Amino acid sequence: DVKVTQSSRYLVKRTGEKVFLECVQDMDHENMFWYRQDPGLGLRLIYFSYDVKMKEKGDIPEGYSVSREKKERFSLILESASTNQTSMYLCASSLGTFSYNEQFFGPGTRLTVL
Amino acid sequence: SQKIEQNSEALNIQEGKTATLTCNYTNYSPAYLQWYRQDPGRGPVFLLLIRENEKEKRKERLKVTFDTTLKQSLFHITASQPADSATYLCALTGGGADGLTFGKGTHLIIQP
Repeated sequence: DVKVTQSSRYLVKRTGEKVFLECVQDMDHENMFWYRQDPGLGLRLIYFSYDVKMKEKGDIPEGYSVSREKKERFSLILESASTNQTSMYLCASSLGTFSYNEQFFGPGTRLTVL
Repeated sequence: SQKIEQNSEALNIQEGKTATLTCNYTNYSPAYLQWYRQDPGRGPVFLLLIRENEKEKRKERLKVTFDTTLKQSLFHITASQPADSATYLCALTGGGADGLTFGKGTHLIIQP
């Protein structure tokens, strides 16, 4: 079974802190994605990567950056956390470089920024 | 801009009946449409993919239709069970390396 793991289920940070969210997948998938999910707004794509060291902006990249140094690991970085970044963050991976392949999601990280 | 609409209010269905969920989209010509299930506190789980040239797809008690003229997909669960209660998300893509665009989801409640 494909497994996507995220470093923390719950995280509390203070405004201005640098925050790292880690995601690891164990199925050798090319594509990896970061979403945030908010009530009333649904799932929104922040960044995605279709290969090591490659990254593409999604719909809401402002305030975030990403890193993909190894194929299995995709990190989301909040350079200076703000309260409006309080959200559920979901990582996903999929096989190949085409977006129609099914995405496998991790359990999510609920981030609270105080 | 692209817009995807799903029933914003919860859908209450009696056990054993067919649940039908709607996904409408505008300003978009997706080549592929996917449906996901999400339980509280968990990530979405893939259910079905349908291509623009397919009218209908089935998997066990699930059926999806895709009408590119109406710009609509219908998701049916037949013989519904309380265990089918969850939020169901539709997602669209053109098929290239451009990611999925998700709807906000419909919360389905199957009552015993």
